[in-house]
Amino acid sequence: QKEVEQDPGPLSVPEGAIVSLNCTYSNSAFQYFMWYRQYSRKGPELLMYTYSSGNKEDGRFTAQVDKSSKYISLFIRDSQPSDSATYLCAMSGAVEYGNKLVFGAGTILRVKS
Amino acid sequence: GAGVSQSPRYKVTKRGQDVALRCDPISGHVSLYWYRQALGQGPEFLTYFNYEAQQDKSGLPNDRFSAERPEGSISTLTIQRTEQRDSAMYRCASSLERTHPGNTIYFGEGSWLTVV
Repeated sequence: QKEVEQDPGPLSVPEGAIVSLNCTYSNSAFQYFMWYRQYSRKGPELLMYTYSSGNKEDGRFTAQVDKSSKYISLFIRDSQPSDSATYLCAMSGAVEYGNKLVFGAGTILRVKS
Repeated sequence: GAGVSQSPRYKVTKRGQDVALRCDPISGHVSLYWYRQALGQGPEFLTYFNYEAQQDKSGLPNDRFSAERPEGSISTLTIQRTEQRDSAMYRCASSLERTHPGNTIYFGEGSWLTVV
């Protein structure tokens, strides 16, 4: 079993839809949770960053962390074709990991106009 | 520079040859990371540096892989006696601060290695 599980998709939605992306993890010591967006042939870029449990909102994006369930989510409101990309969850903070990030496999999102 | 720069962007090499991949981090960034990303997978940690010191190399697959950052800026990842299973995208990343696990790290566009 991988430390971080993420459904690879692809997830295909119409423009304007609300998108929900999720990851589960097994190590309860993770404290920092991130979402990266990766366009085709590009490097991942940080989208959202959350420390411990709770919600964080930034424009059309909302990140949620539920440490009790070891479950994190990214919601995208009013999705746009430009949101089409691979979304990677990542986490860190467990002592044994130092400064490493542990990534999920990524979910491919396609927003159709 | 404006972003993390990696070279070469594409490298095809014959099995058994050595390859060196270069990373030029964002100016002033203290920490530098190497990750490997297979198709359809997320990046997998290889090693990282604070300044010129290699802090963690636990992700390097075996002793054919090594990395250095002699002057605390540019880094080189070297793979000796390449094998086909080494074929992957190798990504470098850098961050401004060195100790906070939640620091924003910035990824380069990667070096795509194909071993034939």
